[in-house]
Amino acid sequence: GAVVSQHPSRVICKSGTSVKIECRSLDFQATTMFWYRQFPKQSLMLMATSNEGSKATYEQGVEKDKFLINHASLTLSTLTVTSAHPEDSSFYICSARGLSEGGNSPLHFGNGTRLTVT
Amino acid sequence: AQSVTQLDSQVPVFEEAPVELRCNYSSSVSVYLFWYVQYPNQGLQLLLKYLSGSTLVKGINGFEAEFNKSQTSFHLRKPSVHISDTAEYFCAVSLNTGFQKLVFGTGTRLLVSP
Repeated sequence: GAVVSQHPSRVICKSGTSVKIECRSLDFQATTMFWYRQFPKQSLMLMATSNEGSKATYEQGVEKDKFLINHASLTLSTLTVTSAHPEDSSFYICSARGLSEGGNSPLHFGNGTRLTVT
Repeated sequence: AQSVTQLDSQVPVFEEAPVELRCNYSSSVSVYLFWYVQYPNQGLQLLLKYLSGSTLVKGINGFEAEFNKSQTSFHLRKPSVHISDTAEYFCAVSLNTGFQKLVFGTGTRLLVSP
């Protein structure tokens, strides 16, 4: 149980275009979803926290107008990278915590999306 | 603020040998501690977690970790590794309050060779 599906797994886009990444909780309802970014051979950096039905909370230094997050339902959150540039190329990973899980429960991670901007 | 230090960026080891991956954390308040494993181009899988109670926690795939409050450490160990254990391992910490926001270490690449 507790599967998080991320789509697409890989995407290549041209500079200036926008890309949408989906994160779905398949067998549970996720009140909170987290979006991370991982540069090659580096750790995961939290970008933002989204709660269903409310605005996302962005970490310091993350441009909210560039990385649009929508958490419209208890099973889906999306991250849209707007006007992508080569420096946005990275590995994006989402994670989720279930509706019935306490604050100390481990997060469930998706398999990530490799974004390459040419 | 919390922080996590994984001093070893890479740990090479031979198959069936024991291994220890080091993790130290910094926090002025009580925390929860986690170890995650990441295989290439995949998300993270939870290996084990320390919330409270016994300081020695056992996880999946034969891994275990010991919480040492005085040394602010949470080192990961396995008595005998397999080739399939080759992966990136991340130590993470969160505050032991209702809201869980994970702070990750920089990761340790475990390379198991025959």
